[in-house]
Formats: sequence, C-alpha cells, structure tokens
Amino acid sequence: TQLLEQSPQFLSIQEGENLTVYCNSSSVFSSLQWYRQEPGEGPVLLVTVVTGGEVKKLKRLTFQFGDARKDSSLHITAAQPGDTGLYLCAGVRGNTPLVFGKGTRLSVIA
Amino acid sequence: GAVVSQHPSRVICKSGTSVKIECRSLDFQATTMFWYRQFPKQSLMLMATSNEGSKATYEQGVEKDKFLINHASLTLSTLTVTSAHPEDSSFYICSAGLSGGTDTQYFGPGTRLTVL
Repeated sequence: TQLLEQSPQFLSIQEGENLTVYCNSSSVFSSLQWYRQEPGEGPVLLVTVVTGGEVKKLKRLTFQFGDARKDSSLHITAAQPGDTGLYLCAGVRGNTPLVFGKGTRLSVIA
Repeated sequence: GAVVSQHPSRVICKSGTSVKIECRSLDFQATTMFWYRQFPKQSLMLMATSNEGSKATYEQGVEKDKFLINHASLTLSTLTVTSAHPEDSSFYICSAGLSGGTDTQYFGPGTRLTVL
C-alpha cells in the first residue's frame, strides 16, 4: 500500500495556468517535504513544512501542510515551461527513512 | 549549500559484471546515507540505509548480497551491483543527511545503469 498518495499523477497545462498538486495520507507526519526532479537528475528539495496549517511561499509556488499533518498541497500560479518536472512529496516520521509519494509529472506547454 | 556527488553518472556494462557506484558528501559529514532506485517515470524506491561504520539496513525485497553497500567514511558510501543483469538497469540515487537524521536529505545527481 502506498503511504503517500499524490494526485494527479500526470498534468499537462498551458503556460500561464494555475495548478494544484495534492499529497494525502492516513498517517501523521512530523514534517513533509516537496522535491522537484528533472530527467536524469536527482531530486532537489523545494520546501519543508513542519507545523500543521503552515503555508510557505517560494516565488510562484505555495505549499500548505494540513492541520492534522496528514496531507499537503502545492499550488503553482502562472505556470511556466521551466516548472516542468516531476514533483515528489516525502513524509518524515520519527527516525524512519523518508516516505515518497509516486510523484506528479507536470508538463507546462509554451 | 550541502552538495552530494555520484560517480559515475552513467555506466553501461555487460550482463554478469559488477558495477560500483560512489556517493560522496562534498562539504559535510554524513553519518547516514540512503540509496534509492528509480524506474522510468516512477518515484524513488528506498533500497537501503547506510550508516558509517556499520552494516547497511536493507528494505524488504532488496537482496543484500546483490546490492553491496559500504559506508567506510563520513563522506563516502558505495553501492556495488554484483553480477548485474538487464533487470538491474535503473537510475540509482543516493542521498545524505546533514545531521544523520532522516530529514533534510540532499540528493546526488544519480547514476544511470544500463546492463546489456
């Protein structure tokens, strides 16, 4: 069973559109991380959210951690072709290794 | 910032040979390193947790005799794929944590292994 469910799995949008990616679980995490991975490269950490209800902004990206610390969302405003990539959420629980979602593959078309 | 390197970035080998992949933390010491594999268009699957000076902890379903992990120093961990077969072809990624914990991991650029 997948501990972290990401949706949608694939998303293809036009430049300038907004989008939201979801990361859901029935488990509580002490923190949750979002990564972006481009083809042939390792994941790059975008943000870590720690507190329930926390909202963090990174330019056009807004990350939110659910109040119960079981889910998170990533919202991108006015998407650009440079946002294209695989977006991964990963949960931290105690001293256990990171748990990754399956990822959302985003394609932004110019 | 914290930088993790991997070598080689790409390797092609014949079936039956062994391949060693190195993971180095360049500007920090990593008590714990992690090894992942990633199939095309899929997410990262944790293979093992590598602790400096001790045996690696393998995830269920990962053969420890096939994927040998050595973490001899605080800046270097190696993964050796022994007697590689075409089904071992994958993208192998390592990561290292700053404090030895499981949060704030920094990932290497990955190694693309192709077994012919």
